[in-house]
Amino acid sequence: DTGVSQNPRHKITKRGQNVTFRCDPISEHNRLYWYRQTLGQGPEFLTYFQNEAQLEKSRLLSDRFSAERPKGSFSTLEIQRTEQGDSAMYLCASSRLWRGGLETQYFGPGTRLLVL
Amino acid sequence: DAKTTQPNSMESNEEEPVHLPCNHSTISGTDYIHWYRQLPSQGPEYVIHGLTSNVNNRMASLAIAEDRKSSTLILHRATLRDAAVYYCILRDNTGTASKLTFGTGTRLQVTL
Repeated sequence: DTGVSQNPRHKITKRGQNVTFRCDPISEHNRLYWYRQTLGQGPEFLTYFQNEAQLEKSRLLSDRFSAERPKGSFSTLEIQRTEQGDSAMYLCASSRLWRGGLETQYFGPGTRLLVL
Repeated sequence: DAKTTQPNSMESNEEEPVHLPCNHSTISGTDYIHWYRQLPSQGPEYVIHGLTSNVNNRMASLAIAEDRKSSTLILHRATLRDAAVYYCILRDNTGTASKLTFGTGTRLQVTL
């Protein structure tokens, strides 16, 4: 049983550089979510996709952030011109939306980003 | 989203029951109560959810107050592997729900 995978698991970059993270959801899951988690806090929602359509974006998702899910399978999250405040754990989750709206989200292990 | 309130931390001895409380006084009639937990260095994982009646699964039990303004996650026999941050989350059931809104959760420490 393959769960949600994320790559890379760790990323160290210098301020001003661009970074891209990848998330591979559980097969046949039609929803894919991105969250960000800073130390001591719960995860915060960034954006989500239903199939290839990006249906909601948080105000946390500044114009330096972009997410894609081109074929409704894997997703990428890119951060341009990284800032030290972007240092966090970036979590991906996937789910299958059933009739009635209830769904369980399955999370990946996260990508830990450190911006120097 | 309706807000939940949880204690910051709790401690338990191994193999003893643990009762993790959650207050949600502004819960609406269509909100389900979900619990997720996050083990160290891992992403959150689903534990259990319920609407009105108490629920049991292989991981835990969920006791929901009659007025639904509070709930309690029950781990019947805590083990060291249950040490995690436990999040109580309200989720609308009208079919439009999407994101999970996490608070700071309760950090559970389990000792020998």
